[in-house]
This record gives sequence, structure tokens and C-alpha cells, in this order.
Amino acid sequence: DGGITQSPKYLFRKEGQNVTLSCEQNLNHDAMYWYRQDPGQGLRLIYYSQIVNDFQKGDIAEGYSVSREKKESFPLTVTSAQKNPTAFYLCASSELSGASTDTQYFGPGTRLTVL
Amino acid sequence: AQSVAQPEDQVNVAEGNPLTVKCTYSVSGNPYLFWYVQYPNRGLQFLLKYITGDNLVKGSYGFEAEFNKSQTSFHLKKPSALVSDSALYFCAVRDMGTNAGKSTFGDGTTLTVKP
Repeated sequence: DGGITQSPKYLFRKEGQNVTLSCEQNLNHDAMYWYRQDPGQGLRLIYYSQIVNDFQKGDIAEGYSVSREKKESFPLTVTSAQKNPTAFYLCASSELSGASTDTQYFGPGTRLTVL
Repeated sequence: AQSVAQPEDQVNVAEGNPLTVKCTYSVSGNPYLFWYVQYPNRGLQFLLKYITGDNLVKGSYGFEAEFNKSQTSFHLKKPSALVSDSALYFCAVRDMGTNAGKSTFGDGTTLTVKP
């Protein structure tokens, strides 16, 4: 899983609670991404960031929020507004120029279960 | 707009036989194409990519893929499958005309190699 860490590996949450998933990378990559993975649906992009203090919504941003205060960190908050948050969440990073442009390096994932 | 399709949810092959996992794509311009592999409860790992040049791309673990512009395909192949190749495989594409890093992933194909 390269130089990207996600914590925790498993997370349980009660309905109505916000929860924050951590993602850290030491690859000096400019871009970072959050995906949600549900069985049979592949990866869906939640948010992405190409530079510090800037981020864009992906395809399914509703009910989620992010911040990018440091290059190496891109935490994801799953808010109580997310209707069906139980899923496997994957963080990734990539370079935006050079020979490795667009190759995404993924963390090990966080499995969130809402009780 | 960019999109990618993996027409087979599941591929089954016997160990030692050749394997093919199919991917077709749609982009307005020229594509960057990627294959990733995911083992259970893990993040995705990069296998190979096509950017430009030789249509036959060789990657990790003996995998290769052939870019076919006329058929808009990028099928993943391996001459002799191993049981340890059993995993979930994702194809991804980015249109060169879009922002670096914003790739679209297919829904995945589960490869099962039987001894």
C-alpha cells in the first residue's frame, strides 16, 4: 500500500454521529482523493484535492466534507447527512506531472459500519 | 466526458491457462489507461498503464495489456494464470483533455483462478 496510511482500519458509528477518517501520505504527491467502494459498484469519487487549501467535489460529495490544510493530509468527515454511510473508504494520492502522472497509490482502506 | 466499461463481472480460468480481463473506454480525446488489482479488504495496487507509444504494455506480476484505438479497448492479459492472481481487477481511464488525476474507474472484474 505504499506510503499512504489510513486510520482506523475498522470504524463503527451510531446513526446521527459525524466521524472523521484519516489519510496521510509521505510520497510528496500533490493530489489526493477519497473514494467510496460498495459491492458491485466499483469506486466512486467523493472529493479530490490537487493543491493545499483547495479541493473539488467528486461524483458523490453529498453528506461528506474534507480539508487539505497540509500537503500530506486529507481527512474525510462523514456527516450525519450521509444517508447510507456504511461502506469501504479508500484514500489515494498521485503526482500531477512527470512520468508517474495519474498513477494513483492507494491506502489500505477504512471499513465504516453504521450501527 | 470519459467512461470505462468492464463487461464481465466475473472471469474464471484454470491455473496455467491464459487469462483475459476486458476493458473498453470512451473519451473525447486521447486516453490515459490504467489497470489496478485489489485483494480482499485491501487498497488497490497499480499494475500497468498506457500513456503513449507501444500499444503493448507490460506490467507487474507478468501481466500485460494491449491498447487498441480502433476498438477503444485495453484488455488485460497474462499467458499463464496463477491461483494467486485471483483478485478484483479495475480498469481506469483519463481523457488527456481533462484535469490530471481525475480518472474514472470501471466497476471491476473478479478473477478466479482454479487449481
